[in-house]
Amino acid sequence: GENVEQHPSTLSVQEGDSAVIKCTYSDSASNYFPWYKQELGKRPQLIIDIRSNVGEKKDQRIAVTLNKTAKHFSLHITETQPEDSAVYFCAASKTDRDDKIIFGKGTRLHILP
Amino acid sequence: DTAVSQTPKYLVTQMGNDKSIKCEQNLGHDTMYWYKQDSKKFLKIMFSYNNKELIINETVPNRFSPKSPDKAHLNLHINSLELGDSAVYFCASSHGTHTGNEQFFGPGTRLTVL
Repeated sequence: GENVEQHPSTLSVQEGDSAVIKCTYSDSASNYFPWYKQELGKRPQLIIDIRSNVGEKKDQRIAVTLNKTAKHFSLHITETQPEDSAVYFCAASKTDRDDKIIFGKGTRLHILP
Repeated sequence: DTAVSQTPKYLVTQMGNDKSIKCEQNLGHDTMYWYKQDSKKFLKIMFSYNNKELIINETVPNRFSPKSPDKAHLNLHINSLELGDSAVYFCASSHGTHTGNEQFFGPGTRLTVL
């Protein structure tokens, strides 16, 4: 089955700097890669996703890149702000009815003042 | 209006008890899920239902039984609660019949078994 590895588990960056979180997946048939943000005590919420027919996607300060050959994808946050502090989860899935989405173990991002 | 709601938000109970968590979504989604998030924040799928039909049933003890009375509701009943069941349980829903769509999570139910 699919296995998703996420690194680092904890990341501290100065406010205004960039943050990068990396994930690898094992199943080459996976074709959907979402990223979820979970603030303390809150629910996970989708912040960006990418499908396997695209190599990069950007939404304001957030971008995701996908390398299908290497089976890895990354989240890039530029000009980090205090409200970016949260746990970020990458995930991978195929898009069949009985497939399940597999989450990475999460990265706790701290934005330092 | 709340898109995905769960009740209760907190549940504290003794070992051996039976408890239920309710979930409702008003998004018109076809698929609903239950996830368990342990103390290390690891999110793991337990079940998924599509139009009241069980699709995914992970290796969850059979003390956990989901019930979907209609496609807007997915409840979770847990028998003979154990200490290791303590976690946050999230319900979620998504459009369509597969996992390649955004999942909308409920606020979570923090279950503490004493």
